[in-house]
Amino acid sequence: EPEVTQTPSHQVTQMGQEVILRCVPISNHLYFYWYRQILGQKVEFLVSFYNNEISEKSEIFDDQFSVERPDGSNFTLKIRSTKLEDSAMYFCASTTNGGEGTEAFFGQGTRLTVV
Amino acid sequence: GNSVTQMEGPVTLSEEAFLTINCTYTATGYPSLFWYVQYPGEGLQLLLKATKADDKGSNKGFEATYRKETTSFHLEKGSVQVSDSAVYFCALTPNQAGTALIFGKGTTLSVSS
Repeated sequence: EPEVTQTPSHQVTQMGQEVILRCVPISNHLYFYWYRQILGQKVEFLVSFYNNEISEKSEIFDDQFSVERPDGSNFTLKIRSTKLEDSAMYFCASTTNGGEGTEAFFGQGTRLTVV
Repeated sequence: GNSVTQMEGPVTLSEEAFLTINCTYTATGYPSLFWYVQYPGEGLQLLLKATKADDKGSNKGFEATYRKETTSFHLEKGSVQVSDSAVYFCALTPNQAGTALIFGKGTTLSVSS
């Protein structure tokens, strides 16, 4: 069964450092997403990506964040200068055409710890 | 705006007990509603969904009915198992292509034998 894969599963970084979280969405999907979940809190939407550009972003997704689809398979989230409050589980997801009731398929997540 | 409110956990039950996890929503228009489940150490998986009023989603013995009049989508299961222990998230999307999921805070279910 096709699945969304994320690497690494756990990343520890020093405050102020840049991190890149990687995702391989399901190959025939068209919409890609990043969400995050701070420990004990709700899953929050960060950004969606379609047709090689950002289609929607939340207020969390400020200038410190960027996304890229550098080739036909990878979808990356970059945090330029990490802060302690960026520590969270980051989930990548993808969907097909995004119509009514479309199921989002999630990766297993990357746990980012900023120290 | 759109939002989802679900009951606070944790919920602790014995095997074969009846489960209800309440979920209510606020949305403009007619959203699609979902329950996602997160088993320990895993990502989010779709459990069930409903796309219009009075639809009932069901899977693995779980059910939820889209109630427009009460803006609710409560999750139920008649007889829980230890393997159902997980975090359950209620979510919605507005019915527009590619729009993101809006999640509730999640409810942790712990089932003991």
